[in-house]
Amino acid sequence: QVTLKESGPALVKPTQTLTLTCTFSGFSLSTARMRVSWIRQPPGKALEWLARIDWDDDKFYSSSLKTRLTISKDTSKNQVVLTMTNMDPVDTATYYCARMGVGWDYFHYWGQGTLVTVSS
Amino acid sequence: EIVMTQSPATLSVSPGERATLSCRASQSVSNNLAWYQQKPGQAPRLLIYGASTRATGIPARFSGSGSGREFTLTISSLQSEDFAIYYCQQYNTWPYTFGQGTKLEIK
Repeated sequence: QVTLKESGPALVKPTQTLTLTCTFSGFSLSTARMRVSWIRQPPGKALEWLARIDWDDDKFYSSSLKTRLTISKDTSKNQVVLTMTNMDPVDTATYYCARMGVGWDYFHYWGQGTLVTVSS
Repeated sequence: EIVMTQSPATLSVSPGERATLSCRASQSVSNNLAWYQQKPGQAPRLLIYGASTRATGIPARFSGSGSGREFTLTISSLQSEDFAIYYCQQYNTWPYTFGQGTKLEIK
């Protein structure tokens, strides 16, 4: 059974750096073709893909946010970490991690999401 | 970046009736199109991938069709639990992009 769960601060101040952790089970990110992505959703708005990390440590980022994002993995802990620098109130959103289809780029399994509010 | 446009923004349908949701891509995405269902306070759930393949555990009343730029999600006989927001997502061309969603509400 595949499960993912996001964790991190619920509140960050403008200009701070956000660090989110996705802890998963039911698969290994060292297995070929496994990938995990981060997606966010501002309140009442649509979904936005942010970043992806692959089993072979390849990394991909949203063009509009790539200067602010870093994704990494700790295979031994079954965790994927996303950092986003210089947070702004417009970054207020629910942040999801998701395991992608094996060899395919749809989002198969999702975490429950974590709401991050950016406010002073 | 490929823009995904969903229509209508809101669809009002009575339980037991058929619902048809549309998704259009700004350029061809072949059949690399997924549909998700999202209920309030929940994460999205994968319904359809490959434009027409139901994900594991998805009822047969959900069906997807289309290829290229035009796609449709059909729910053949709406159940109370189907009223939600539906998103399409293309994964043919990086970066992945989602539509703005269609809210399916009870008429």
